[in-house]
Amino acid sequence: AQSVAQPEDQVNVAEGNPLTVKCTYSVSGNPYLFWYVQYPNRGLQFLLKYITGDNLVKGSYGFEAEFNKSQTSFHLKKPSALVSDSALYFCAVRDKDTGFQKLVFGTGTRLLVSP
Amino acid sequence: SQTIHQWPATLVQPVGSPLSLECTVEGTSNPNLYWYRQAAGRGLQLLFYSVGIGQISSEVPQNLSASRPQDRQFILSSKKLLLSDSGFYLCAWRRGGDTQYFGPGTRLTVL
Repeated sequence: AQSVAQPEDQVNVAEGNPLTVKCTYSVSGNPYLFWYVQYPNRGLQFLLKYITGDNLVKGSYGFEAEFNKSQTSFHLKKPSALVSDSALYFCAVRDKDTGFQKLVFGTGTRLLVSP
Repeated sequence: SQTIHQWPATLVQPVGSPLSLECTVEGTSNPNLYWYRQAAGRGLQLLFYSVGIGQISSEVPQNLSASRPQDRQFILSSKKLLLSDSGFYLCAWRRGGDTQYFGPGTRLTVL
C-alpha cells in the first residue's frame, strides 16, 4: 500500500527565515506526490505536485518541493517564510492500486511563522 | 474556470437526526467526485468516490451514504447521526489530470 509520513507535528520558524516541512513516502514504483495547504476552517488548497521530470518542483505562493528518490522524500520548502504561511500542510501520494486516483494523505504538519 | 461549492458551511444536529450535505462543481463535466472527512483537524479519510451519475463506491463502512443524482452534484447523507459523525466534511473533484481540488468544507457538530 502507498503511504506518506510527516514526521513533524509542528514546525516553528521566524518570518524571513527559510522553512522546510518534511514528507517521506513509501510506494511501489514511481510516486505521484502532492502538497496541499489548509487554513483554519477552510478546504485544502493545492500547492504543487511531482509526477515526473525535474526533481525541484515549483508551486504556488513561492513554495517549492524537492523530490529525492534515494531518500524517498518530498520536502516542502520556501526561501523566506511569511506570517501568512502559518497553516496546516498535508503531503499526499496517489494510490496506484486503485483505479480512481485515490489520494493517501499524511497526518499534517502545522507551520507557525512568528513575526 | 472550475468552482466547487459546499453547503451548508456549518451545521449543528442532534444525535439521531438525518443529514444531507451537498457539493456541486461548476465549469467542468463528468468529474470524479470525492467525499472526505477530517476529524480533530488533522487526518483526512476518504469516505466515498464517484466516477459518474449513480456510480458510488464506499471506502469505509459508515453510518453515511452518498448519491450522485446529477453529473456535477454529490450528496452525503445519513438517516440517523451519531456523535462520531462530527467532523469537517470535504468534497473534492478531479477531471482528467492527477490533482484533486477541494471545496470549502462543511463543519458538522453532532450533539
